[in-house]
Parts: sequence; structure tokens; C-alpha cells
Amino acid sequence: SQTIHQWPATLVQPVGSPLSLECTVEGTSNPNLYWYRQAAGRGLQLLFYSVGIGQISSEVPQNLSASRPQDRQFILSSKKLLLSDSGFYLCAWRQGVQEQFFGPGTRLTVL
Amino acid sequence: DAKTTQPPSMDCAEGRAANLPCNHSTISGNEYVYWYRQIHSQGPQYIIHGLKNNETNEMASLIITEDRKSSTLILPHATLRDTAVYYCIVYDGANNLFFGTGTRLTVIP
Repeated sequence: SQTIHQWPATLVQPVGSPLSLECTVEGTSNPNLYWYRQAAGRGLQLLFYSVGIGQISSEVPQNLSASRPQDRQFILSSKKLLLSDSGFYLCAWRQGVQEQFFGPGTRLTVL
Repeated sequence: DAKTTQPPSMDCAEGRAANLPCNHSTISGNEYVYWYRQIHSQGPQYIIHGLKNNETNEMASLIITEDRKSSTLILPHATLRDTAVYYCIVYDGANNLFFGTGTRLTVIP
């Protein structure tokens, strides 16, 4: 069966510090991978998606970036965090036309 | 650009059926209707999806109108654990899912 992991589960970072959130998927090959952000009380905002290794599409211009160094690994990064980067970050995967499966999320607080 | 309209909140008594409506008047012929729910501080969970016909699984039933411009998710016997935000999404299987703000369902004991 397929599983999706995200870490860390929670993170508190100062403004201006770097960020690296990791997502890995098990039990599937060549999935589409997604990063979403959810601000407090808001809906999910798609940030990045990837259809293969090294292929990243950005939905929203901002100070975040994403990378896919391996087939089942998706990383969300920032060189300098802003207060507005606080939120709940969700990784998801999908294969073909199947439904999308979400990870447990990382709650990021930028102080 | 969610393409769906849902009421922001609903209440339901425990043990009763919860009927969550969704309008998707601009749905295209190749787009499915998907439902997800998100319990507080967790990732969204897939519930059910359909194209034209009504669908039922162990979690819920999905009723799609004949013109496909609206649908209703039915939780037949709501429990307190069904309290969550429910998202209705139209999806063609090729582009990415766009989540709106959903319906916050509160199941009342």
C-alpha cells in the first residue's frame, strides 16, 4: 500500500531563517507530487507540483521553491522566511486519474 | 479558481443524515465531482467521486443532478467524528485539484 510521509510535523522558525520541508512517498512509482499551503481558517492553496524528477511547476510566485531530487521525494525550501509564510503545509501525491492522497502536514510558525 | 460553491457552514444532529450541497454550474463533460474532508490539523481525506451516476461507498453517498450542475454529499448517520471541513471539487483528472473554502460541518450531540 502507498504511504506518504512529511517531516517535521511542527516547526517554529525566526523571520529570515531558511526552510526545508521534506515529503516522501512509498509504494508507488512516478507519482505527481504537490505542495499546498493552508493559512489559518483558509482553504488550500496549491504552491508547486511536479510530474517527474527535476520537473517543477510553480502556481504562486513567492519566496518559496521546490525540488524533486528523486522520484518519490519532494522538498519545499526557502532561503529567508517571511511572517506570511506561516501556515499548514501539505504534501500530496496522485497517479494518473486517481484521487489525490495527502500527507499529515507540517505546521510552520514564523516568528 | 475553485469552480464550486458551497455553504460556509452547516450543523447536523448526531445520528441523523448530513446532506452537504455543492453547486458546479460550469462543470465540463469530462470533469468529475470529488469530495474530500479535512479534520482539524490533518491532511484532507478522500471521500468519494462521481461523473454522472450516483455513487455510494462505505463513507458516503454522492447524488449528482441529471444536468450535473449540482451535487449532494450524504453522510447517512453522522457521528461526532464527522465534524470537519468538506470540500467539493470538480476535476478532469489532468489538471490540478483546486480547493475552495468548503463547508464546515459541525455534528452536534
